Amino acid sequence: DTGVSQNPRHKITKRGQNVTFRCDPISEHNRLYWYRQTLGQGPEFLTYFQNEAQLEKSRLLSDRFSAERPKGSFSTLEIQRTEQGDSAMYLCATQIGYEQYFGPGTRLTVT
Amino acid sequence: SQQGEEDPQALSIQEGENATMNCSYKTSINNLQWYRQNSGRGLVHLILIRSNEREKHSGRLRVTLDTSKKSSSLLITASRAADTASYFCATAPQNSGGSNYKLTFGKGTLLTVNP
Repeated sequence: DTGVSQNPRHKITKRGQNVTFRCDPISEHNRLYWYRQTLGQGPEFLTYFQNEAQLEKSRLLSDRFSAERPKGSFSTLEIQRTEQGDSAMYLCATQIGYEQYFGPGTRLTVT
Repeated sequence: SQQGEEDPQALSIQEGENATMNCSYKTSINNLQWYRQNSGRGLVHLILIRSNEREKHSGRLRVTLDTSKKSSSLLITASRAADTASYFCATAPQNSGGSNYKLTFGKGTLLTVNP
């Protein structure tokens, strides 16, 4: 247990529905990252927060994706109008120093 | 896009044997890290090696880095069944201002240690 928690752990949704995931970081870690991991691949960077400021978004993050980190604490990742290609593991990580601490991930299945 | 490429994609060994995994990358880096992921779980940081270091040890882990060849290796000695997992290398870009920022992961090596 790294101290980073994610909810829910699993989410099954129908295509076209909206979903929201939550990440609760280690409290003193001001950098927070979202990654997406598909089967047989390594995690791919989606977006990054320094406190409450979203500093970079990957081209993987289409207009249907939005992330927030109000008050620099927990973060949410919302996917609107889900597509089957959104099925993946969504990982949150926080950082202090050089090391990133990953949560257990939310596995999304879009049917 | 994936920067690192691990080799082999899968490795199966007997308990007690050593396991070696390799990683190649494409661009200049600030540091390279190795992470472990148990099936369906999050990643756990194992070891970091800076671009000006050539070798680093941590317990049963030994990491080497050759920046001229843009490659790294992870050696796990005296493997145990509990080492069964996927292992990923991840790189931080050289212009990352000294902090990790936006790690780029390889596809991973699936290690199976048979009891």
